[in-house]
Amino acid sequence: EAQVTQNPRYLITVTGKKLTVTCSQNMNHEYMSWYRQDPGLGLRQIYYSMNVEVTDKGDVPEGYKVSRKEKRNFPLILESPSPNQTSLYFCASSSTSGLAGANEQYFGPGTRLTVT
Amino acid sequence: AQSVSQHNHHVILSEAASLELGCNYSYGGTVNLFWYVQYPGQHLQLLLKYFSGDPLVKGIKGFEAEFIKSKFSFNLRKPSVQWSDTAEYFCAVNARTGFQKLVFGTGTRLLVSP
Repeated sequence: EAQVTQNPRYLITVTGKKLTVTCSQNMNHEYMSWYRQDPGLGLRQIYYSMNVEVTDKGDVPEGYKVSRKEKRNFPLILESPSPNQTSLYFCASSSTSGLAGANEQYFGPGTRLTVT
Repeated sequence: AQSVSQHNHHVILSEAASLELGCNYSYGGTVNLFWYVQYPGQHLQLLLKYFSGDPLVKGIKGFEAEFIKSKFSFNLRKPSVQWSDTAEYFCAVNARTGFQKLVFGTGTRLLVSP
């Protein structure tokens, strides 16, 4: 089954304790992206990756890091989490073939992070 | 940079009522337009998209949207909603150049009462 998986699904942590949220897709997609969803703000892009070893900042990259060492994986790293990073996080992937940007993004199930 | 406005934050309808959710975007170039739906506790799923051709686009579950270029709008419609349409709906846009960034609206929460 074609899917995007994220782990963990729920995480409660304390300020300053480094954490990683994993994201993996099995569709051989070149493009992957991370979003955070906050009430009243919709989804905002954190980072995206066009392919292996190619990453770039989205709209809200502060406090986050990413890496893309393999095509299928795109982990999100919070080196020193703070309470304002409490949010619902979604990973997404899509193909880049065909008309630029017209491909559907497939979303993972989400990771609900609470930083106390 | 592009931006998306969804003017209805919360909509409450009775079953069988007609639905129209507004979406306006700002960007001077060619865009791709999307509507995603998020059912309670679930991840986002694509309802429909427009990238070229007929400006009236039909999606899944009886939804449709019309792209009106002169109004920078991409409103979502459904003639008769069902209780199962209760969800949050997001309009999104990316530019044909620089498509890496998909910009979402703030979402519209729809509640359909049986």
